[in-house]
Amino acid sequence: QVQLVESGGGLVKPGGSLRLSCAASGFTFSDSYMSWIRQAPGKGLEWVSYISSKSSRTNHADSVKGRFTISRDNAKNSLYLQMNSLNPHDTAVYYCARGDYLYSFDSWGQGTLVTVSS
Amino acid sequence: QSALTQPASVSGSPGQSITISCTGAASDVGGYNYVSWYQQYPGKAPKLIIYDVTNRPSGVSNRFSGSKSGNTASLTISGLQAEDEASYYCCSYTTDRVVFGGGTKLTIL
Repeated sequence: QVQLVESGGGLVKPGGSLRLSCAASGFTFSDSYMSWIRQAPGKGLEWVSYISSKSSRTNHADSVKGRFTISRDNAKNSLYLQMNSLNPHDTAVYYCARGDYLYSFDSWGQGTLVTVSS
Repeated sequence: QSALTQPASVSGSPGQSITISCTGAASDVGGYNYVSWYQQYPGKAPKLIIYDVTNRPSGVSNRFSGSKSGNTASLTISGLQAEDEASYYCCSYTTDRVVFGGGTKLTIL
């Protein structure tokens, strides 16, 4: 069955960096569009970034553009999110999700918590 | 990009039906038939329950149905059950990005 497992979250100071990873299994990762979606504590969902199956296309939400970079390694069935210049507004649970492009997200990981605080 | 507008909360009794609205704009909900809905329990990951406005993934109860009129999409849950108590989020495609609604907390009375 489809499994997505995020890792790399933790406590980081404002201005710091963090790299999230998502390990995928149970499906053909190299054929799938992937996204990162986050949820601040007690708040709603916010799409962050997507990457196409062969990495030819990416896009990021305006709130993270220029600070976050999505990437993938199809040989390792892994998705990444490099997060730089973090601020407290970036505090959230970060989910990786498999998408039908951006039309819907049919599988989600359990999430990894990122806390930005001094 | 502004979030889609959902009611913060709705409630209903077991066996009843409820509808959750999701209002956007011509640039998102009104412009594409790519509205999806997600169910989320506290502390858990969201689960896809409706995609492409009206379609249910395999395994999702037929008590869940979706529709759209103009810039507003709707999720209807019929025959409410205790297990339906959760938060529900709508989501729409819009020009190479995605926008979510603020979420609706469904309480079963």
